[in-house]
Formats: sequence, structure tokens, C-alpha cells
Amino acid sequence: DVKVTQSSRYLVKRTGEKVFLECVQDMDHENMFWYRQDPGLGLRLIYFSYDVKMKEKGDIPEGYSVSREKKERFSLILESASTNQTSMYLCASSLWGQRGETQYFGPGTRLLVL
Amino acid sequence: AQKVTQAQTEISVVEKEDVTLDCVYETRDTTYYLFWYKQPPSGELVFLIRRNSFDEQNEISGRYSWNFQKSTSSFNFTITASQVVDSAVYFCALSGYNFNKFYFGSGTKLNVKP
Repeated sequence: DVKVTQSSRYLVKRTGEKVFLECVQDMDHENMFWYRQDPGLGLRLIYFSYDVKMKEKGDIPEGYSVSREKKERFSLILESASTNQTSMYLCASSLWGQRGETQYFGPGTRLLVL
Repeated sequence: AQKVTQAQTEISVVEKEDVTLDCVYETRDTTYYLFWYKQPPSGELVFLIRRNSFDEQNEISGRYSWNFQKSTSSFNFTITASQVVDSAVYFCALSGYNFNKFYFGSGTKLNVKP
């Protein structure tokens, strides 16, 4: 089974803090994704990566950055957390090479920025 | 433009009732894929089904069934004899020629009451 893990289930941070969210997958997937989920808005793509050290902006990259130094690990960074970044963050991974590859999700991190 | 609409924000049913979750999509791609995911209260999105645009055959898996109709751009999901464990948020998603991007609907919250 595909396993995607995220470093924290719940996180509370202060405004202005630098925040790191970590995601690890164990299925040798090329693609990894970061989404945020807000009520009524569904899932919105922040960044994705299709290879080590490669990244592409999604729909809402402002205020975020990412790092992918190893194939299995994809980190989301909030350089200076703000209250409007309070949300549920979901990481996903998928194979590369064919259209419509299923994305597999981690358990999510609920981030509260005070 | 790619878009997925789940017009039902929240549905409440009593156990053993049948329930249909609607999904309407927009795409100009001739090849595309449609997905359904389940998000229980624990937060992790669980993959349920993937359908490609060339396969309009309906699918049944236990109490779950899916009705794909290209003529109406719909991919509806029916749960027969609902159970309390079916309570979750259900997301419909679309993936077109750009395999990197999933377009998610806003989700339908299903409450199944005993």
C-alpha cells in the first residue's frame, strides 16, 4: 500500500514564525503535491514537484515555498506565518508518466496561526 | 477551462437510505480522468475510483456505484443502504492533459444518522 506521512497532525504557531511541514512517501513516486483545504473551497494546489529539486507553482503559491532534496521527501515552508494561513494542509504523491495517475494523500496537518 | 462542481454542500440521510452525490465537470480535453475521494473525520483523503473519458461503463463496488455520463458531463456517486461509517466529506476531481493538476470540487459532506 502507498504510504504518505506528514510530520504533524496538529500545529500551533505564532504570526511571523517560520513553519516547516514535512511529507514523506514510501512508494518511489516522482510527483509530490501540497494542497490546502478550506471549508467551501475544496482543495487548492500550492506547489508540486515532479522530480528532486524541481518545483512548480500551483494556484496559490503566495506566502509559501517548498523544498525537495530527496525523492521521498517534500517540505512546505511558510516563511513568515500569518493568520490567513490557518488551514488544513494535505500532501499527496503520484507516479509520473501517464495521465490521470491517482494521487495518494497523507493524513493532513491542521495548522493554527495565532 | 477545467472545473468541477459539487452543488450539494451537505446531505443528511438516515441509515439504510440510498444517497446520490452529484458531480458535474467542465473540460475541453478529449482525454481526461475523473476521481472520487472520501475524507472521513480523521482527515486523510481515501481514493475510491478513477474513470477515464473513454469508458462510460457504470461501475459497482459493493454498496458504491458510479454513473458516468459524458452527455451531461456528470460523474455521480451513489451509496446504497447507507451506513454511519459512510459519514464523510466526498470529493470529486478531474485530471486533464496536464497530469500534474487535479481540479477538485468543493466537496459534499454526507451525514448518515443511525
